[in-house]
Amino acid sequence: AQTVTQSQPEMSVQEAETVTLSCTYDTSESDYYLFWYKQPPSRQMILVIRQEAYKQQNATENRFSVNFQKAAKSFSLKISDSQLGDAAMYFCAYRSARHTDKLIFGTGTRLQVFP
Amino acid sequence: DGGITQSPKYLFRKEGQNVTLSCEQNLNHDAMYWYRQDPGQGLRLIYYSQIVNDFQKGDIAEGYSVSREKKESFPLTVTSAQKNPTAFYLCASSIGAQWGSNYGYTFGSGTRLTVV
Repeated sequence: AQTVTQSQPEMSVQEAETVTLSCTYDTSESDYYLFWYKQPPSRQMILVIRQEAYKQQNATENRFSVNFQKAAKSFSLKISDSQLGDAAMYFCAYRSARHTDKLIFGTGTRLQVFP
Repeated sequence: DGGITQSPKYLFRKEGQNVTLSCEQNLNHDAMYWYRQDPGQGLRLIYYSQIVNDFQKGDIAEGYSVSREKKESFPLTVTSAQKNPTAFYLCASSIGAQWGSNYGYTFGSGTRLTVV
């Protein structure tokens, strides 16, 4: 069974600085998708960025980028120029390309942003 | 605007009572999901449905039941058999497996259930 591990329960960053959130996963499949979701205090889940495993190029969305290391099964999220509004829980998630029914989540990392 | 509506936002029930959480979507998505969120445990899948009149158990289905009579609706009933029902419940939908799994989910805003 696939698992997703986020080993950092909490992280903090100064406004305008850069922070990296870690995520590792375990799977025997070669084709899959990875996601980062943000959950602010409102508790609404928001998709931040997605990565297809067959693509070597790392995904980027404005200030958010990933470092996808397929061999190491690592999928970290880098937030550049951090803003106060980035403070939230961040969840890493895995979805098989073949068994498309489940999105498997990590336990989350709480990010605090200090002015 | 298209989206997912969960109601109510907060729900209080007495122990031993069944309670139903509502989830409605107008995104024309085929698949719908229910997750439970507890502190330090991330999101755990309760039930999911990929088409109308069909649903499957997730990882923690015991004490819960669902129905999918309409494409737009996927209500979750928390029964008295659920030993620890107090939690935050999130409903989600996705376009469906036949369109590819690179799409993420669209989530509702959640229901906080407290059983006293």
